[in-house]
Parts: sequence; C-alpha cells; structure tokens
Amino acid sequence: AQSVTQLDSQVPVFEEAPVELRCNYSSSVSVYLFWYVQYPNQGLQLLLKYLSGSTLVKGINGFEAEFNKSQTSFHLRKPSVHISDTAEYFCAVSNFGNEKLTFGTGTRLTIIP
Amino acid sequence: ETGVTQTPRHLVMGMTNKKSLKCEQHLGHNAMYWYKQSAKKPLELMFVYNFKEQTENNSVPSRFSPECPNSSHLFLHLHTLQPEDSALYLCASSQAQDSYGYTFGSGTRLTVV
Repeated sequence: AQSVTQLDSQVPVFEEAPVELRCNYSSSVSVYLFWYVQYPNQGLQLLLKYLSGSTLVKGINGFEAEFNKSQTSFHLRKPSVHISDTAEYFCAVSNFGNEKLTFGTGTRLTIIP
Repeated sequence: ETGVTQTPRHLVMGMTNKKSLKCEQHLGHNAMYWYKQSAKKPLELMFVYNFKEQTENNSVPSRFSPECPNSSHLFLHLHTLQPEDSALYLCASSQAQDSYGYTFGSGTRLTVV
C-alpha cells in the first residue's frame, strides 16, 4: 500500500518570499508523484508531475519539485510567491500501471502582503 | 475549462429531496471517480468506475447512488441526505491502468438543510 504525508497543514509566507511545501511518501514499488493546487471553490488542478527522468520537475505558475528517492520526498518549491498563490496544495502518489491516486491531507498556503 | 464538467455548481436540498449530480468528460478517459471534500477533512474517495463498471465503493452510505451509463458520463444520485453530507463533491477522470494522473472538475457545492 502507498501513502502520502504532508506534515504542514498551513504555511504562511510573506509575498515575494520563497516557499517550500513538504511531501513524503511510502510505497513498496516505483511511484509516480503529483502536486495539485485547489483555489477556493474550485476543483483540483495539476501543477506538475514526476513520471521518470530528471528528478527536478518544473510546473505551471513558477513552481518546481524535486524527487528524492533516498528520502522518499517530493517537496514543492517556488522562489518568490505572489498573492495569487494563496490556495490549498495536495501531493499525490500512484504506482506504475495503476491509475489509483493516493492524496495527502493538503497544505494551505497563505500569502501575507 | 478543465475538460471535466460538473453540474450544478451549487445545490441546496432538503433532507427529503432527491437530486442528482452530473459529471461529463470528453477527454477520451475510461475511468471516472467521485470524491467528497469536507471542511478540514482529507479528500475521500467514494466511487471508482473503470470502463463503466464500478470497481470501488469505499463504504459509502446507500443514500448516495452512482451511475455510469458510458465512459463519458457519471452521475451521483442523492436521496434522504443528512446535514453532514454537505460538502464539495468532486468528479475526476483518467485513463484506466494509467498512472499519469487525474483531471478534476470544478465540483458541486452541496448544502443539505
């Protein structure tokens, strides 16, 4: 079975400061990893995904994430946040050949002007 | 437009009413999902359909009844709901046996009064 842990339920950050949202996973087999963003009263939108290849993955809105197999982590980063980044962010994992995604509990990112 | 359309966006219903939520995708996907998202709780997977067949039911009460007439449409029929059923109901789709992630709809905000 696979699982995802997002240790930080809320992260407040000043505007234009950098941010890192943490995600750790556990799985007995090779994984695919995802970050989704959810703006207020909206569905989830795919930010980026790691399937294979380079461990540094770039996504939309200036976000990037790094897959670290030894630490079983897939942390999301942005060098300079904007007010519009205020949202909830979900990390998710799936196994090769299995469409089922397992989601973390989410991290609420609040940008302070 | 995400490719997955949910209607209605908002629904208020009494505990004795019967209503239905609709989800439609034209992405050529063959797996569809219903999720429930309540305030301050993790995403809850309710039902999974692969090629129109229900493959997962996560102990959902019978007052929620899913229907998948074809790979492009998914319904959630609601009857005799309780106030604790008030939540955002999200539909998603993907390719079955494919690990490349889901596409979500914008959700239906359901309020049971």
